[in-house]
Amino acid sequence: DTGVSQNPRHKITKRGQNVTFRCDPISEHNRLYWYRQTLGQGPEFLTYFQNEAQLEKSRLLSDRFSAERPKGSFSTLEIQRTEQGDSAMYLCASSPHSGTGDYEQYFGPGTRLTVT
Amino acid sequence: AQSVAQPEDQVNVAEGNPLTVKCTYSVSGNPYLFWYVQYPNRGLQFLLKYITGDNLVKGSYGFEAEFNKSQTSFHLKKPSALVSDSALYFCAVRDMGSGGYNKLIFGAGTRLAVHP
Repeated sequence: DTGVSQNPRHKITKRGQNVTFRCDPISEHNRLYWYRQTLGQGPEFLTYFQNEAQLEKSRLLSDRFSAERPKGSFSTLEIQRTEQGDSAMYLCASSPHSGTGDYEQYFGPGTRLTVT
Repeated sequence: AQSVAQPEDQVNVAEGNPLTVKCTYSVSGNPYLFWYVQYPNRGLQFLLKYITGDNLVKGSYGFEAEFNKSQTSFHLKKPSALVSDSALYFCAVRDMGSGGYNKLIFGAGTRLAVHP
């Protein structure tokens, strides 16, 4: 399977704990995005990487959130001191360089986080 | 700011009948528009996009969408609905932002229910 993969698929944690999610994009895609989706809503942009550089962060991304893409391949999203409001589906997407004319993003299956 | 509106929370249609899922947009500049579908506990799957050219764009699984610049709409259509089309559909617009990066702004989604 050459699609975007995310791990874990589900995570249940207690309030105050730290969690880390992983995203493996499509191998030839240099652009990587994180989104958050809450029940009944569309995905909301969190952050964007081009290769290993984090080039944009949403105001939704509080200082408890950090994302990395150390070698321009996989990415991790860490949430420190989780709160119940962090419960959501976290989606990762990738896309090739826009010079190819392909602007669509390809999404992974998501990681569903439940904070109790 | 770029935005997308999906005025219907749910659309019900009988199998074999044509379906339309509505989307209107507000952008500065030329719109890059997308439709995605989400099945339960799955990530988003790309259906089709409008970048430029023909106002009627064809996508996956028999879906098509009509771009109407004067009405700022991008409605998703299918001539004959299948029960398996039942899912959550999202319209999205590209937001270049201040940095010129291709993040997507999503509507709240429309649930399509196709009845046998």
